[in-house]
Amino acid sequence: GQQLNQSPQSMFIQEGEDVSMNCTSSSIFNTWLWYKQDPGEGPVLLIALYKAGELTSNGRLTAQFGITRKDSFLNISASIPSDVGIYFCAGRDMDSNYQLIWGAGTKLIIKP
Amino acid sequence: GAGVSQSPSNKVTEKGKDVELRCDPISGHTALYWYRQSLGQGLEFLIYFQGNSAPDKSGLPSDRFSAERTGGSVSTLTIQRTQQEDSAVYLCASSRTSGIGSYEQYFGPGTRLTVT
Repeated sequence: GQQLNQSPQSMFIQEGEDVSMNCTSSSIFNTWLWYKQDPGEGPVLLIALYKAGELTSNGRLTAQFGITRKDSFLNISASIPSDVGIYFCAGRDMDSNYQLIWGAGTKLIIKP
Repeated sequence: GAGVSQSPSNKVTEKGKDVELRCDPISGHTALYWYRQSLGQGLEFLIYFQGNSAPDKSGLPSDRFSAERTGGSVSTLTIQRTQQEDSAVYLCASSRTSGIGSYEQYFGPGTRLTVT
C-alpha cells in the first residue's frame, strides 16, 4: 500500500538551531498536513498545504508542498524548548477522498 | 468552539474484560476516525465513519474490535475480551468533508488503555 517516508526519525538539537524534516511519498499527493504531538496529547494540526509549490508559515514554522507533489518539508527556525515533541506528516493521495496516510514521525529532542 | 473530546482519559482493565471508549467529535464534522498508537509509535488507522455511509473498517485488527457512531455524532469503540497487546492510546479525530479545510483531522486527547 501507499507509504510515506518521514525523516529523520529523531533529532537532537541545540536551542536556537534551525530544524528541517521532510516526507516523501511513492505517489502524487493533493494535500500535505503537518502535525505536532506533545506527550500525553493528541496530534495538533500545524500547517495544511493544498497546492504544489505552496509555501506556508505559522510563526517560526514553515512548510512547503513539493513541486513534484511527492514530497513536503517542515522547517522550524530558532528552536525553543517547547518545540520538543513528535512531528508527523500526513497526506492524501489521488485515490483517497478521506483517509490520511501518515508518516512515522520525527522526534525532536533538545540537548540540555 | 469545543474540540474533540474522549472518555475516559485512562482505562485500566483486566485481560479478558470488555471496554468501551467514547468520542465526541467537533460539532458539524461529518467524518470521524479512530486510531491506535502504541508507545513510541505512529498512528495506526482503525475505522472511519462519514455521514450515513457504511464505515470503513479495514483497519480493525481483529473481530474483537467494533465501533458505532450514533446519530452521526458520538462514537463508541468497543474492544471485547481485551488482550495485553491491546494496551495503547486510542485516538479519535474528526473532520469536515466539504468546504475549506476538508479532511483536516482534529484530534482528541486520547484514551490510554492498559490491559493487565
